[in-house]
Amino acid sequence: TQLLEQSPQFLSIQEGENLTVYCNSSSVFSSLQWYRQEPGEGPVLLVTVVTGGEVKKLKRLTFQFGDARKDSSLHITAAQPGDTGLYLCAGARGTYKYIFGTGTRLKVLA
Amino acid sequence: ETGVTQTPRHLVMGMTNKKSLKCEQHLGHNAMYWYKQSAKKPLELMFVYSLEERVENNSVPSRFSPECPNSSHLFLHLHTLQPEDSALYLCASSQDYRGELFFGEGSRLTVL
Repeated sequence: TQLLEQSPQFLSIQEGENLTVYCNSSSVFSSLQWYRQEPGEGPVLLVTVVTGGEVKKLKRLTFQFGDARKDSSLHITAAQPGDTGLYLCAGARGTYKYIFGTGTRLKVLA
Repeated sequence: ETGVTQTPRHLVMGMTNKKSLKCEQHLGHNAMYWYKQSAKKPLELMFVYSLEERVENNSVPSRFSPECPNSSHLFLHLHTLQPEDSALYLCASSQDYRGELFFGEGSRLTVL
């Protein structure tokens, strides 16, 4: 079974703190996506990384794809309450096949 | 309307009922998906349709029956479900097999 493990599973931090979420697998992915899901809604895409070692920035969010394309990280600088949600990574394997991670539930306290 | 819309948002059904979930995408995408989201488990891919043809069936029990009458609509017909089938059912679409997934808000299903 292809598995994407995310860590930590839960994270509760104060506004202004930095954090990193990890997404790890023993499998290679052709690309990897990060989604954020808020309560009562479907996941929304944040970024897609394709090349090993690739780094992408989205305002205070920094995404990195591992050199071997088996892992990824999401770093949030100066977290805000609006960053609260469930963060999901998803690896692409073959055609129409997205393997989702176990999820990281983030709560940012004001 | 824009994006991906799902109806109903909430559904409660008994184990002997027959119901259907509906998904409509207004993005002109070629692929549509059903995912199941349960507590403490990763999103599970159930079915994928590309240009109205089923291209993926992820060992889903036959009590779930998908239907894709055209590239904009996707249904999930439910029959004789079990309480463990209670979950959030998410519909998604993508332009092609590598594109980003656009999700609907989900249908929260409770089986009594």
